[in-house]
Amino acid sequence: NAGVTQTPKFQVLKTGQSMTLQCAQDMNHNSMYWYRQDPGMGLRLIYYSASEGTTDKGEVPNGYNVSRLNKREFSLRLESAAPSQTSVYFCASTRMTGTGPLTGELFFGEGSRLTVL
Amino acid sequence: SQQGEEDPQALSIQEGENATMNCSYKTSINNLQWYRQNSGRGLVHLILIRSNEREKHSGRLRVTLDTSKKSSSLLITASRAADTASYFCAHTSGTYKYIFGTGTRLKVLA
Repeated sequence: NAGVTQTPKFQVLKTGQSMTLQCAQDMNHNSMYWYRQDPGMGLRLIYYSASEGTTDKGEVPNGYNVSRLNKREFSLRLESAAPSQTSVYFCASTRMTGTGPLTGELFFGEGSRLTVL
Repeated sequence: SQQGEEDPQALSIQEGENATMNCSYKTSINNLQWYRQNSGRGLVHLILIRSNEREKHSGRLRVTLDTSKKSSSLLITASRAADTASYFCAHTSGTYKYIFGTGTRLKVLA
C-alpha cells in the first residue's frame, strides 16, 4: 500500500521562483492537509481540505496556494518562493466520520524538503 | 496561535527506564492524539484519547488527559533504543483542524 505519496522529496529553489508540491493518497480519505515543520516549531498547518471541492486556511497560509484536484490529490503551490519558506513540508490525510467530532488518525507522507536560496 | 506546547523539549534516558512527556493546549478539545516521528520520516499515529476519557493504555504506552488543566501526558514504560524519536501531541476542536504541539525529542541510550 502506497498510503500518502509526496513529490518531490527534495527541491532547491532560488528566491522568487515558483513550484508545486504534489500529494496523493490511495486510502479513499476525504480530508487532506498540508503542514510545514521547522526546528523547534513543531508542525504548523498551512491549508487543509475537509472534502473534495473545499479548501481552508490553516495557521500559516501566507505565501501559499492549494488545489484539491480530486479526492486523491491535494497540491501546494509557492508562487514566489522566499527564504522563510525553507522547511520540510508534510501532506496528511484522514477519513472524516460523518458530521460529528473528528476521530480519525492522520496518515502522513514522508515529507518534501525545500530549500530556498 | 492555537499551537500546543510540549515539555521537555528533549529527554535522554537509559534503556529500561520510563519516559514521560507532557503536552498542554489552549482550547477545548474533542480528542487528543499522540504521534511519533523517526528522524527524517513522516509522523505515525500512536494513540488517541477522547475528551471524556482520563486514561488510556496501548502496549507500553499510557496516556492521561486532564481537560481542567488542558494537559496530557504520554508515558512510555521500559524504554528501548528503538523508541528514540520525536513525539508530538495533536488536538482537534470541533473543526477539521489538527493542531500539533512543538514536540519532545526522546533519546534512549543502550
